[in-house]
Parts: sequence; C-alpha cells; structure tokens
Amino acid sequence: DAGITQSPRHKVTETGTPVTLRCHQTENHRYMYWYRQDPGHGLRLIHYSYGVKDTDKGEVSDGYSVSRSKTEDFLLTLESATSSQTSVYFCATSDEGNQPQHFGDGTRLSIL
Amino acid sequence: GESVGLHLPTLSVQEGDNSIINCAYSNSASDYFIWYKQESGKGPQFIIDIRSNMDKRQGQRVTVLLNKTVKHLSLQIAATQPGDSAVYFCAEGISGSARQLTFGSGTQLTVLP
Repeated sequence: DAGITQSPRHKVTETGTPVTLRCHQTENHRYMYWYRQDPGHGLRLIHYSYGVKDTDKGEVSDGYSVSRSKTEDFLLTLESATSSQTSVYFCATSDEGNQPQHFGDGTRLSIL
Repeated sequence: GESVGLHLPTLSVQEGDNSIINCAYSNSASDYFIWYKQESGKGPQFIIDIRSNMDKRQGQRVTVLLNKTVKHLSLQIAATQPGDSAVYFCAEGISGSARQLTFGSGTQLTVLP
C-alpha cells in the first residue's frame, strides 16, 4: 500500500461549520486525489493535485476547496458544511497519471 | 454486472468455486482499466489492471478480460475464498491524464461456506 493516512477517521459536525480533512502520504507520489463515496454512486472525484500547489477541480467540486503545500499532505476543506456533504471521503495517490491509484481507509463525515 | 442505483448488484458463490464479476464501461476512448476490492470500512484495494493493447491479464488467482468491441470488462476469481467477500468495482481511464478514473458502483460478492 502507498502509506496513506487520513484524519480524522470519523467526524460529526453541524451545518454551517468549517471542516478540514487531511490526507498524508509517505510514498512521495506526485498525484493526490479526494473522492466522495455515496450509496448508489461510484467514487466521485472532488479535486485532485498534480504537484505542490497545483490543483484542479473534479466532477463534484462545488462547496469544497483543497490545498497542497507539501508533497505529502493534501487537505480538503468544506468552508460551510451542508447536510448534502455527509459522505465517506477517500484520499488516493498515484505516482503517475496512468498508474493505479492507491487509497486511504476513508473519513466518515456526518453533517447534522 | 454493474449499474448505477441504490442497491448494488450481488453475486453469491460457493467457497471453492470460480467467480466472474462483470463491468460495462462507457467511454470508448478509455485505454486503462483497473479492478478494485473494497471491504467494509476500508478503502478500495488495487487488484489488477489492464491496458487496451491487451485482452487478458492474469494475477494471483485473478484474471481480467477486456472486450473493447462491446466495452466490457470482467474479473475472474479462481477458487473463491471467504476472504474474497467484498464489493468489487472497475474503473476506466485514459493513459497520461491524471484526473480521469471513472468508477463503477460495484458488485457485492458473497462467498458461501
């Protein structure tokens, strides 16, 4: 595995509060990704990064922002959480764009 | 096979039998395909991948078959074991493009004793 640690693993918060999820990798992979996983849907890409300070939007980026100030860390922020953002969030990394992505064990986020 | 919906397709097999899980992909430009296994409470785990210049690839107890004509991918698991019980899903992508894995919603495999 790619040595991916997500924190926190579980979080419950209230609508309107800011939330930051952290992904930390030890493999020096160039690419990092944030996905959300919901029942009835495959993994959906929120944002991804192709290098330090280089990020781009995925298909469900509204309401989310990301930052990557170091190779090993990729942060996902919900500026003002809404109930529709209740989900399981996965971070993934890959060495190159056409290599398999390897995943962390997820953060279960509940917004009440 | 896989479909988008509230309930995952399910496949139940007897321990020791072979399992075949199917996936229909959508983008004819996709040239890279991956199978993942996801156990409850865990992240997806890479099983095997295949590129479009191949139609078959084998790993340890697993084989992936690719039929580009009908845009179909299958995962065969030989001698299925209880530890193989999980959700399996495929992903399609385009080589050289960083963002592009598109994931299916998965199939729940249950191994019966």
